[in-house]
Amino acid sequence: NAGVTQTPKFQVLKTGQSMTLQCAQDMNHNSMYWYRQDPGMGLRLIYYSASEGTTDKGEVPNGYNVSRLNKREFSLRLESAAPSQTSVYFCASLRDSYEQYFGPGTRLTVT
Amino acid sequence: DAKTTQPNSMESNEEEPVHLPCNHSTISGTDYIHWYRQLPSQGPEYVIHGLTSNVNNRMASLAIAEDRKSSTLILHRATLRDAAVYYCILNRDDKIIFGKGTRLHILP
Repeated sequence: NAGVTQTPKFQVLKTGQSMTLQCAQDMNHNSMYWYRQDPGMGLRLIYYSASEGTTDKGEVPNGYNVSRLNKREFSLRLESAAPSQTSVYFCASLRDSYEQYFGPGTRLTVT
Repeated sequence: DAKTTQPNSMESNEEEPVHLPCNHSTISGTDYIHWYRQLPSQGPEYVIHGLTSNVNNRMASLAIAEDRKSSTLILHRATLRDAAVYYCILNRDDKIIFGKGTRLHILP
């Protein structure tokens, strides 16, 4: 039981490049989330998915797209990266509406 | 979105109890109150949650005001490993938004 896994762990992009952050959970949870955390700040919700086939915007969705590929996987795509998107990205899944499990995070730098 | 208000930081001495307050005056009847903590360089981890009644688990206790407009996370005996940022969150329809949290410093 690996929990929530994220790939890659680190990534450096140039402004304008695109990339997809991958997230998978093996706990059969319905809801999944993407957050970003800037240095010294709290987490901000980008997008979430309450069930397979549905996605909803969070607090800061601009510049991102998501795909809930199946129940296990929820990916986050940056179409044209900007320096303002430099951050640590956390994926999470939710058990029984009360306990979120977080992945280890992806540290992204956009130059 | 459901909002919470917490002090930016708090200090406590090691081996003493810690009471972390949270205000959530706009809470609705079906919002669950969740607490998470984030240790340095890690993702958040679940601490405790509740709806109306006080709750206890192995990590902490959660005291919820009768009108549910505030709650308090209680760490019964703080250790240095409890130094972290503590987040009080309202779960409304599984849309979970973190605030800025309270940074807890533990003094040896």
